[in-house]
Amino acid sequence: DAGVIQSPRHEVTEMGQEVTLRCKPISGHNSLFWYRQTMMRGLELLIYFNNNVPIDDSGMPEDRFSAKMPNASFSTLKIQPSEPRDSAVYFCASSLDGNEQFFGPGTRLTVL
Amino acid sequence: DAKTTQPNSMESNEEEPVHLPCNHSTISGTDYIHWYRQLPSQGPEYVIHGLTSNVNNRMASLAIAEDRKSSTLILHRATLRDAAVYYCILRPYYNQGGKLIFGQGTELSVKP
Repeated sequence: DAGVIQSPRHEVTEMGQEVTLRCKPISGHNSLFWYRQTMMRGLELLIYFNNNVPIDDSGMPEDRFSAKMPNASFSTLKIQPSEPRDSAVYFCASSLDGNEQFFGPGTRLTVL
Repeated sequence: DAKTTQPNSMESNEEEPVHLPCNHSTISGTDYIHWYRQLPSQGPEYVIHGLTSNVNNRMASLAIAEDRKSSTLILHRATLRDAAVYYCILRPYYNQGGKLIFGQGTELSVKP
């Protein structure tokens, strides 16, 4: 298995632009997680899905952030409009039984 | 959510054992203890988890105190590749989706 796949790996955009991050979980996994990591705040859980349904989005910072999981093999995290403070590394992770999460390589987002 | 306390940093010599402590005095009877690590420029990876009994796997051992208020991750022979940030996390048993709350972790450096 290729593991969790994220794209793009790096994204540089200007303030106000829309940004879409993509994630393909490991086949057969039923939980998917989006995290954000910054030096100041560490690793934060933004939202997680179970069987494609959002279960907990309490970590989503504000309405500019939205996440979807249209099917078991794909999820997106969208920021519109983006701001410089959104600059971070965004990780996607998936899990089958909740005991072990497998993380992707991350997307490094820079908002100028 | 119950919290964990870890030292900010630790040093080890290559090929020596490493004991990484974690305090979780407010742990509930059904919280699982999880350990993840994050190598530089990578996403976190699962190391080990346990509930009450000590656990071993190919990566490490987990020693859990009898009162469960503390635990220790043991790397039997540290290598340079083990230099990473190690996170100790509590996960409630009812949290079948596997939601994890990461703290600041312990940054382990390994000297040759």
